[in-house]
Amino acid sequence: DIQMTQSPSSLSASVGDRVTITCQASQDIRTDLNWYQQKPGNAPTLLIYDASNLHKGVPSRFGGSGSGRDFTLTITSLQPEDIATYFCQQDDSHPLTFGGGTKVEV
Amino acid sequence: QVQLQESGPGLVKPSETLSLTCSVSGAAMSGYYWDWIRQSAGKGLEWMGRIYSGGTTTYHPSLKGRLIMSVDTSKNQFSLTLDSVTAADTAIYYCAREAYVWDSPRLRNYWYFDLWGRGALVTVSS
Repeated sequence: DIQMTQSPSSLSASVGDRVTITCQASQDIRTDLNWYQQKPGNAPTLLIYDASNLHKGVPSRFGGSGSGRDFTLTITSLQPEDIATYFCQQDDSHPLTFGGGTKVEV
Repeated sequence: QVQLQESGPGLVKPSETLSLTCSVSGAAMSGYYWDWIRQSAGKGLEWMGRIYSGGTTTYHPSLKGRLIMSVDTSKNQFSLTLDSVTAADTAIYYCAREAYVWDSPRLRNYWYFDLWGRGALVTVSS
């Protein structure tokens, strides 16, 4: 199985801050990497697919980059509604696997 | 608006069978993969497996032998049964739609979970 390692596991930031979350795969996954946002009590929702493509309706302050093993999710200006846990997920091979999550707090 | 909704017992006894159904509304099931993903404090998000609208399945290797998925497109539903459950199977169970985009320059698909149900908490306890 491909292991997905996220860091940090949690972070505290202020409204307006630039926030960066990293995800590392245990092997090369090209750009087969998705990012999800999960708010408390809700299911995850898709933010980014193919490492850098914004899903429809997702605000442009979210961005993704990377390829191979190393990936980054960036929020350019943190908003109160961005308080959530963020997960990466590889779809390069089965079984599909997720990172452990990064909890973003204010 | 496409919606997914999980249903099934919230409490299952150890060694018994967990059964859940996901009802899909607002769209046909044809042409998509339909997945089950669970989330627990101990294991985080764990992909369990998927079923194509035509019935082809792929299961997580760790669950093979215990997990069966089925689909009934006439009812717009798909289901999961997990045998011989233990406390480790206690989790929130999500059903999700797996969609893709075709990248013609690179001649490949990119897959992602674009729709999720609200989740069903299943507790395994006597």
